[in-house]
Amino acid sequence: AQSVSQHNHHVILSEAASLELGCNYSYGGTVNLFWYVQYPGQHLQLLLKYFSGDPLVKGIKGFEAEFIKSKFSFNLRKPSVQWSDTAEYFCAVPNSGGYQKVTFGIGTKLQVIP
Amino acid sequence: EAGVAQSPRYKIIEKRQSVAFWCNPISGHATLYWYQQILGQGPKLLIQFQNNGVVDDSQLPKDRFSAERLKGVDSTLKIQPAKLEDSAVYLCASSLGNSIAGHEQYFGPGTRLTVT
Repeated sequence: AQSVSQHNHHVILSEAASLELGCNYSYGGTVNLFWYVQYPGQHLQLLLKYFSGDPLVKGIKGFEAEFIKSKFSFNLRKPSVQWSDTAEYFCAVPNSGGYQKVTFGIGTKLQVIP
Repeated sequence: EAGVAQSPRYKIIEKRQSVAFWCNPISGHATLYWYQQILGQGPKLLIQFQNNGVVDDSQLPKDRFSAERLKGVDSTLKIQPAKLEDSAVYLCASSLGNSIAGHEQYFGPGTRLTVT
């Protein structure tokens, strides 16, 4: 079974600081990888996704993530965070065997201080 | 396009009572998911439907939880009887259900259940 590890559960940054949130997964086969975000009071929504091709994926609001197969990692980055990036971020990895089942990480709460 | 709708948004019940949640997915989405999200944890899949058939219910506590998706559209999730540890947010999500779409899921606002 797939497992997902998010290393930072609570991150506090000042505006303009750089962000990197770690995500590691266990399944070594073909993977599709996702980051979802939940802003305060809003639904979970897709931030970015990787399926194939360029391992550096760009998402909404200036976020990007890099798929490193050898390290089983898919870390989320943003060069300069804003107060509006305050949210909870979830890494998600589909299990093998089709039918679109995903396993979510525990989530990282990001708090950006103005 | 309209998003995933869920009701109610909040529910408070006493233990041993029953409760039901409703979900209306995005029109045309074949796959529907119910997740349980306990405070401080990520969403945990309870059950996944492909049209009106169950494709995964391995983490559904079947002695007390049940779900159905009649006609392959709306779905209901029921808990009977509820326990204190069922306090959580219950999320419904849907996806197109084909590999080209890449498994992107669209989530509803969730139902926050408190069992006292």
